[in-house]
This record gives sequence, C-alpha cells and structure tokens, in this order.
Amino acid sequence: GAGVSQSPSNKVTEKGKDVELRCDPISGHTALYWYRQSLGQGLEFLIYFQGNSAPDKSGLPSDRFSAERTGGSVSTLTIQRTQQEDSAVYLCASSLSGGPGGQNIQYFGAGTRLSVL
Amino acid sequence: AQSVTQPDIHITVSEGASLELRCNYSYGATPYLFWYVQSPGQGLQLLLKYFSGDTLVQGIKGFEAEFKRSQSSFNLRKPSVHWSDAAEYFCAATGTASKLTFGTGTRLQVTL
Repeated sequence: GAGVSQSPSNKVTEKGKDVELRCDPISGHTALYWYRQSLGQGLEFLIYFQGNSAPDKSGLPSDRFSAERTGGSVSTLTIQRTQQEDSAVYLCASSLSGGPGGQNIQYFGAGTRLSVL
Repeated sequence: AQSVTQPDIHITVSEGASLELRCNYSYGATPYLFWYVQSPGQGLQLLLKYFSGDTLVQGIKGFEAEFKRSQSSFNLRKPSVHWSDAAEYFCAATGTASKLTFGTGTRLQVTL
C-alpha cells in the first residue's frame, strides 16, 4: 500500500492474555518505529528498527513487551500477560532511513487501539 | 533530559481568525523539529519540518512555523483558520537518535 498499515485497528482483550499488533511499513523504508499514545503519558517511543542493526529497545516499559521485524519489513509488537495500564493506542511509523537528516521523516499508521478489560 | 513542551492543552479560535500554537524544546544541541496533526481516529500527519537554514518554514494546509534559537521555540502559525483544522497538534523533536520526542499536544477547537 501507499502508507503505513496497522492491524487490527481495534483490539479488546482480557487482562492476562497475550496480544500481537502488526505493522506494514511503507515499501522501501528501512527504519520502523513503535510508539504508544495513552491519556496519562502522551506519545512515548517504544522501539526502533533500522535495517539489520540491533533494535533500540530503550522505550519498552517492561519485559512483557517485545517486538520483531521479519525480513526487514513487517513488524509485530507483542504484549504478554496484558495489564489494564497497557490500554492505549499503539502507533507504528516508518522512514526511508534512520538517523538525523532529511530522510528521517517518519510516516505514521492509523494505530491499533488496545483495550484491556 | 531532552524534552518538548506545549504549554497550551486546549485552544479555541473562531473560523477565519489567526492561530499560533506554542512549542518549546530542551535539547543539548539544535534538534530537528516537526509539527504533526492528528484527527480523531487517525494517525499523525506531518505538517512541516525544520532541519536547518531558513528559520521560517512552510508546510501543508497553509501552516508555517518559525524556529527561534534564542527562545528554544518552534511555534506553529496559520493566518486564517478553517473549521477543518480542528484536531490535535503535536510538536516533536529528534536529535542524533532517531526516535521522536513529542510534546503533550494542543487540542484545537474551531468555532463557526
């Protein structure tokens, strides 16, 4: 597609269940980012992938959160044993390349709204 | 610590009036600066960016922003607001790292 695609758009789960959120970046973009948008915390960086380099996981809030990027394209964010405080909108973005400079414009998907009951 | 501050949580303007949304940053060096807009249920759309050079940058939808190093500010402006501009606006910055640091957002309401 032309833009960043995220699925599902909405996810309702029960506390303690695992969830997987998917992101399809713009074709040809080597950098991929996950952010979380919640009422109490605003927009927070979670994790960043750039090519074949080790991901920057510095924003992951706990070891229940993990992400992978297969084949340098699609990424999956997994939350294990979900808690109510995990309820938020999870946004994915991609950019042509990572690092500062004119190519690091991040384009965002519409997000996945996660509700943990 | 690096941070971005948007002092105004909520702003209401009349259609046709001018608009200025404030953004201040705290970074070790001049960061790369962005303004994004988010409509309900949508992702973030880039309005404009500042990397270097001319301190007045033009963006889409008639928006512009001015970078002022002395004030560590990057305020967003529009001469005449349209009802369709009602949305949430986020200022963001990045330095040598790639991740964006966002302000808390300003919700714009436009009255007819």
